[in-house]
Amino acid sequence: IAGITQAPTSQILAAGRRMTLRCTQDMRHNAMYWYRQDLGLGLRLIHYSNTAGTTGKGEVPDGYSVSRANTDDFPLTLASAVPSQTSVYFCASSDSITDRYTFGSGTRLTVV
Amino acid sequence: GQNIDQPTEMTATEGAIVQINCTYQTSGFNGLFWYQQHAGEAPTFLSYNVLDGLEEKGRFSSFLSRSKGYSYLLLKELQMKDSASYLCAVMDSNYQLIWGAGTKLIIKP
Repeated sequence: IAGITQAPTSQILAAGRRMTLRCTQDMRHNAMYWYRQDLGLGLRLIHYSNTAGTTGKGEVPDGYSVSRANTDDFPLTLASAVPSQTSVYFCASSDSITDRYTFGSGTRLTVV
Repeated sequence: GQNIDQPTEMTATEGAIVQINCTYQTSGFNGLFWYQQHAGEAPTFLSYNVLDGLEEKGRFSSFLSRSKGYSYLLLKELQMKDSASYLCAVMDSNYQLIWGAGTKLIIKP
């Protein structure tokens, strides 16, 4: 089934630890995005990639890094997790930057 | 700054009609999207408006007025499965999506 796969589904992480959230799509979409979603707030863009080999910073990039070595994969790394990074993280992709987004099922991350 | 406003929560009755409003102030406009998000799940695409007017898709319709910075999502013949959050998002001049906080719609029998 075509779509986006995120892993893990949920994770409890000790503060200070490094963590990589995985995101893989099989739709050959050019653009990919990482969002965090917190109660009462809209989806906030962390990082994005308009095409393989390029990345850009979104609204809340501090403490996060991404890479886009190929079309399909767009991992998000927390170098040293802090409790304020407790959130639900969604990966999304679109065929072009003007197209509708397809979202992964999300990763619920708790930093303690 | 850029801003998307929509009501936090709405309640409606099964079988009825509900209108969810969205107002926006953004730097430029390249289209407005509505997404549905059931609790604990990912957002899914509902509609896209780039020109003024009404777009109808089954029980759901979406309206846009660019001059007023205003859109609404109209849901007809409400079903219990329509209980969800509805997210309004505007694409700005840099082709970045600006998201509202979402409207939680509660359907009562």
